[in-house]
Amino acid sequence: DQQVKQNSPSLSVQEGRISILNCDYTNSMFDYFLWYKKYPAEGPTFLISISSIKDKNEDGRFTVFLNKSAKHLSLHIVPSQPGDSAVYFCAASPDLGGSNYKLTFGKGTLLTVNP
Amino acid sequence: ETGVTQTPRHLVMGMTNKKSLKCEQHLGHNAMYWYKQSAKKPLELMFVYSLEERVENNSVPSRFSPECPNSSHLFLHLHTLQPEDSALYLCASSQEGGPYEQYFGPGTRLTVT
Repeated sequence: DQQVKQNSPSLSVQEGRISILNCDYTNSMFDYFLWYKKYPAEGPTFLISISSIKDKNEDGRFTVFLNKSAKHLSLHIVPSQPGDSAVYFCAASPDLGGSNYKLTFGKGTLLTVNP
Repeated sequence: ETGVTQTPRHLVMGMTNKKSLKCEQHLGHNAMYWYKQSAKKPLELMFVYSLEERVENNSVPSRFSPECPNSSHLFLHLHTLQPEDSALYLCASSQEGGPYEQYFGPGTRLTVT
């Protein structure tokens, strides 16, 4: 049973436009959410995170939105650039009293940004 | 070296072989992880070491044996693997108590023949 779901296996957008990647979760114990980006032949790279006490976190071109009641989060990239083309993973963790090891990942969404 | 490094990057082994994967982190972290990524599946957490103690074994078969001699090094010893164990094995590290981000190595692509 997948607790973190990324229902779109792929997404294609035009350079300069907005990319919106979505993630749903089922476990109400999840308290902290992260997005990772992965290029081929490399490990996942941390991108941005959000705690459940917030509904938005912004870092440059990347913004993560959290809707706790809907158990949904999204990553917005604007403007999208060809170098953003990668697989994006959503991950979630429960509050383990300061411990952070229980990350549960989604299957990933392949983003392609066309020049 | 910076970040998290893994060796070898590629490994082909027979089912009767014994091999080891090595991970080293240069970030001063005190928690290390092994993950498995199979085709079309999410990353699966295998083992977690915090302060050199194993705190999680996610129902991993005994043919996978982790070792953490110190906070910077992590090994995964492999023996009598099955073809279905072929996957990308990723090592990660983080700092217990926060921030919560885990930093990943490039992975070892393992093929069991």
